[in-house]
Amino acid sequence: AQTVTQSQPEMSVQEAETVTLSCTYDTSESDYYLFWYKQPPSRQMILVIRQEAYKQQNATENRFSVNFQKAAKSFSLKISDSQLGDAAMYFCAYISNYQLIWGAGTKLIIKP
Amino acid sequence: DTEVTQTPKHLVMGMTNKKSLKCEQHMGHRAMYWYKQKAKKPPELMFVYSYEKLSINESVPSRFSPECPNSSLLNLHLHALQPEDSALYLCASSQGGQASSYNEQFFGPGTRLTVL
Repeated sequence: AQTVTQSQPEMSVQEAETVTLSCTYDTSESDYYLFWYKQPPSRQMILVIRQEAYKQQNATENRFSVNFQKAAKSFSLKISDSQLGDAAMYFCAYISNYQLIWGAGTKLIIKP
Repeated sequence: DTEVTQTPKHLVMGMTNKKSLKCEQHMGHRAMYWYKQKAKKPPELMFVYSYEKLSINESVPSRFSPECPNSSLLNLHLHALQPEDSALYLCASSQGGQASSYNEQFFGPGTRLTVL
């Protein structure tokens, strides 16, 4: 079965500190793409970062980076120097046959 | 232009009304999607259009009727909805092409639908 698991329904972090959101997935495909999407309250779903499974190097986008462990099927998101604007629902997902397979999401709270 | 637009932003309708949601993109994408999203849940896929043809219909009730008039435009026609259909309806687009290939989806802001 194709599944994505986000085991942390909610996380909180102090502003300027670092937080890691976890994600594990299960797929039988050998080549696939993984994504972290961010959805602020009442706002648009936007792509934070993507990882191509055949690339060993972890993707990085400014303050956002991933720890991709292909053998363990783990894809965690690290947010450094957390800012108030990072408060949102974060969804982990991967592509399979046009369809995004989504995790349940993690609500990230930033404490000022 | 890397934007997907959706209109209206908000819609309130009765169970006997007929209304339509509209989605537009000008990125040259050939795949377009409709999702339904309940609060604090991930989006649920409803329909996929690939090269203007309906390729995926996730067993959606017939009171939802999609239409893809051209490669840039996607509509969702609504008729005789139920209160449980109240949700955020998201449109997305992607480059299209072979299945299982890289296909980042760009999302619109959504239409917040309330059915009374």
